[in-house]
Amino acid sequence: KAGVTQTPRYLIKTRGQQVTLSCSPISGHRSVSWYQQTPGQGLQFLFEYFSETQRNKGNFPGRFSGRQFSNSRSEMNVSTLELGDSALYLCASSLGQGSTGNTIYFGEGSWLTVV
Amino acid sequence: QQPVQSPQAVILREGEDAVINCSSSKALYSVHWYRQKHGEAPVFLMILLKGGEQKGHEKISASFNEKKQQSSLYLTASQLSYSGTYFCGTELGRGGADGLTFGKGTHLIIQP
Repeated sequence: KAGVTQTPRYLIKTRGQQVTLSCSPISGHRSVSWYQQTPGQGLQFLFEYFSETQRNKGNFPGRFSGRQFSNSRSEMNVSTLELGDSALYLCASSLGQGSTGNTIYFGEGSWLTVV
Repeated sequence: QQPVQSPQAVILREGEDAVINCSSSKALYSVHWYRQKHGEAPVFLMILLKGGEQKGHEKISASFNEKKQQSSLYLTASQLSYSGTYFCGTELGRGGADGLTFGKGTHLIIQP
């Protein structure tokens, strides 16, 4: 079956702009979580959505937001982009809520460059 | 609290064995292991849960020492395809309130 699909794969934005990234989870998976990956900070948890509700949130400013739709697809939005937001944004899906005992499958990510 | 992985990097010849460690200063509920190749998605390898339950790929073995809050990933008879960066992700409590907290990764290079 198809894996986690993220779009777009690559994008370049200017400081101050906003960006929306999209994620389609594996069919049947109801939980979608987002991670930011940078060379300096590594993989960091942004937030998790389950049944259209944000269940958990990492330590990121309010400029980072997301939502989940009834078909479990998810979007994340970053407003007022800063140079430090340049990163690989990874979406992951799992059957159940949270990571406890659940296998989490990652998408290939969206590479965001802020100039 | 970010788990500490060791070693940071290792170079092996094909067929050699390697052990990658992941340590936490806090009590863990679970440890998740992933391998990521450059430009690709992290691929799930194994979950180890407090109490001894494990789920993962047949060819991968790992351990979780609950007393030491340490997990080790064992790569035996390494193949070229094992090259990549290995991450451990830890979870402090059931429910994953903070998602997974990942270590900085261990870079593994397998040479022919």
